[in-house]
Amino acid sequence: ELKVEQNPLFLSMQEGKNYTIYCNYSTTSDRLYWYRQDPGKSLESLFVLLSNGAVKQEGRLMASLDTKARLSTLHITAAVHDLSATYFCAVDIGNNDMRFGAGTRLTVKP
Amino acid sequence: GAGVSQSPSNKVTEKGKDVELRCDPISGHTALYWYRQSLGQGLEFLIYFQGNSAPDKSGLPSDRFSAERTGGSVSTLTIQRTQQEDSAVYLCASSLDSAGGREQFFGPGTRLTVL
Repeated sequence: ELKVEQNPLFLSMQEGKNYTIYCNYSTTSDRLYWYRQDPGKSLESLFVLLSNGAVKQEGRLMASLDTKARLSTLHITAAVHDLSATYFCAVDIGNNDMRFGAGTRLTVKP
Repeated sequence: GAGVSQSPSNKVTEKGKDVELRCDPISGHTALYWYRQSLGQGLEFLIYFQGNSAPDKSGLPSDRFSAERTGGSVSTLTIQRTQQEDSAVYLCASSLDSAGGREQFFGPGTRLTVL
């Protein structure tokens, strides 16, 4: 059974701190995506990672992919309140099909 | 706009009634997905259409759920004899298989409430 596991599921952090969200998956895949969801809103694409070793950065967020370890990370640097949201990883399992993790609910406190 | 649209945005229905949810994907996108998201939960995959291929229905929770995609574009998700546990936000997404990946673009969702 395909598993996409995010860790942690809930994260409360103070502004200015750094933290990493992990996404482990159980199938062979070389494509992984990160999405953001604000409360009451739909999902917004953040990063598209298309190969082993891919690293993408946007503002205070940086995503990386290790296909051998079947692991992606989303690193938050010097968190700010505006980053509070739920973050999902999604694994491309082939034939344009994708499976999502359960999401990490991030709260950044002053 | 050129994004994914869904209708209705909100639907309140009585237990036992049938409902139809509509999704208009981005023009030219070959893949279309339906997900269900219960309050505070992650995304539950329901069904996936890719071009003219047979859809992947492996996520449909029961035979009360069905979906169609007409002409490779608009899709309708139908829930028959709705139950209270069907209450959730139903999200539709579309994507285009390209060298740049298969990033999914999501619609705003339909919030279904079954009384």
